[in-house]
Amino acid sequence: DVKVTQSSRYLVKRTGEKVFLECVQDMDHENMFWYRQDPGLGLRLIYFSYDVKMKEKGDIPEGYSVSREKKERFSLILESASTNQTSMYLCASSTPASGRGNEQFFGPGTRLTVL
Amino acid sequence: SQQGEEDPQALSIQEGENATMNCSYKTSINNLQWYRQNSGRGLVHLILIRSNEREKHSGRLRVTLDTSKKSSSLLITASRAADTASYFCATASGTYKYIFGTGTRLKVLA
Repeated sequence: DVKVTQSSRYLVKRTGEKVFLECVQDMDHENMFWYRQDPGLGLRLIYFSYDVKMKEKGDIPEGYSVSREKKERFSLILESASTNQTSMYLCASSTPASGRGNEQFFGPGTRLTVL
Repeated sequence: SQQGEEDPQALSIQEGENATMNCSYKTSINNLQWYRQNSGRGLVHLILIRSNEREKHSGRLRVTLDTSKKSSSLLITASRAADTASYFCATASGTYKYIFGTGTRLKVLA
């Protein structure tokens, strides 16, 4: 059974804290993604990675960074958390587009609250 | 602005009825996908239709794609209470980038 796991379902942090969100996939996928989901705005891409140590900015990278040291793990880092980063964070993975269809597999999400 | 815009934003139907939701997009695409999200959870892939396909079926799901109108529809036949969820379309125009719409919230009443 394919799986994408995220380190926490719920997280509460204070303004200014450094926050790490971890994502692990067991499908040997090359591509991994971080989205945030907010009411009325849908899913917005923060960063994606197409290989180990490779990363590309998405639509809203400001205030975030990522790390991909191993193929199965993709971390999202909030350098200095702010209240406007309170959101649901979703990690996803997929094969390359030339593979079997490039559907994305999502983790269960981390609901982050920044106080 | 969102590439994918679902319509309607919310839909409430009785069990056994069909549910139709629509998605419009702005740029050319390689494929279009539909996902389901149960409350507070991650998204689950339902079906993918490529730009050279016009219609696709999977169980009780039927998806159509009209590239001339830049639109797609998702039909769920004989709906069940378990179909209650939010449904999102996502367009893939490049190798890596997917653009998601804001979703349609479907409620199926038992």
